[in-house]
Amino acid sequence: GAGVSQTPSNKVTEKGKYVELRCDPISGHTALYWYRQSLGQGPEFLIYFQGTGAADDSGLPNDRFFAVRPEGSVSTLKIQRTERGDSAVYLCASSLDRNTGELFFGEGSRLTVL
Amino acid sequence: ELKVEQNPLFLSMQEGKNYTIYCNYSTTSDRLYWYRQDPGKSLESLFVLLSNGAVKQEGRLMASLDTKARLSTLHITAAVHDLSATYFCAVDSGGGADGLTFGKGTHLIIQP
Repeated sequence: GAGVSQTPSNKVTEKGKYVELRCDPISGHTALYWYRQSLGQGPEFLIYFQGTGAADDSGLPNDRFFAVRPEGSVSTLKIQRTERGDSAVYLCASSLDRNTGELFFGEGSRLTVL
Repeated sequence: ELKVEQNPLFLSMQEGKNYTIYCNYSTTSDRLYWYRQDPGKSLESLFVLLSNGAVKQEGRLMASLDTKARLSTLHITAAVHDLSATYFCAVDSGGGADGLTFGKGTHLIIQP
């Protein structure tokens, strides 16, 4: 597709469950980012991939959060033992490369933990 | 730690008026980005400012960057209702692989 694609667009789960959120970046974009946006706030950085490797995961809030990008394209954000405080919109963005800087965002996955 | 502050956070204005949104940041950077977000939608890139003194204009919006003052402005000229949205500035701290640090956003309502 032409833009960054994220699935699911909405996910409702119960506290303690495991969820996976998927991001398909713009074709050819080597840099991929995950952000989390809470209501009324700006996006907060979670993790950055350059190619297959996580170049910076300093934004992940704790070890319940993990992300992979095994083939350097699609990425999956994984959240274990979800908590109500994890409820937010999870945004994925891609960039042609780190030096370009400009990020192109997907529509986001809205996660609600009951 | 890089901090990015926008003001105002909320702005209601009438069509036809001019106004400026301010973005201050706390550490040295020469890369600043402005994004627009409509309710329930993702972020749309508006401007990429990559050097001191950079000025970019698109329609009724103009953005500038003063890296010495650590300040960027987004100026709206003769506002129209379609510009109602939330505007975010984001700063690249540089020197590493960190993502952008975003401000809290300015929620702009333009009334007829």
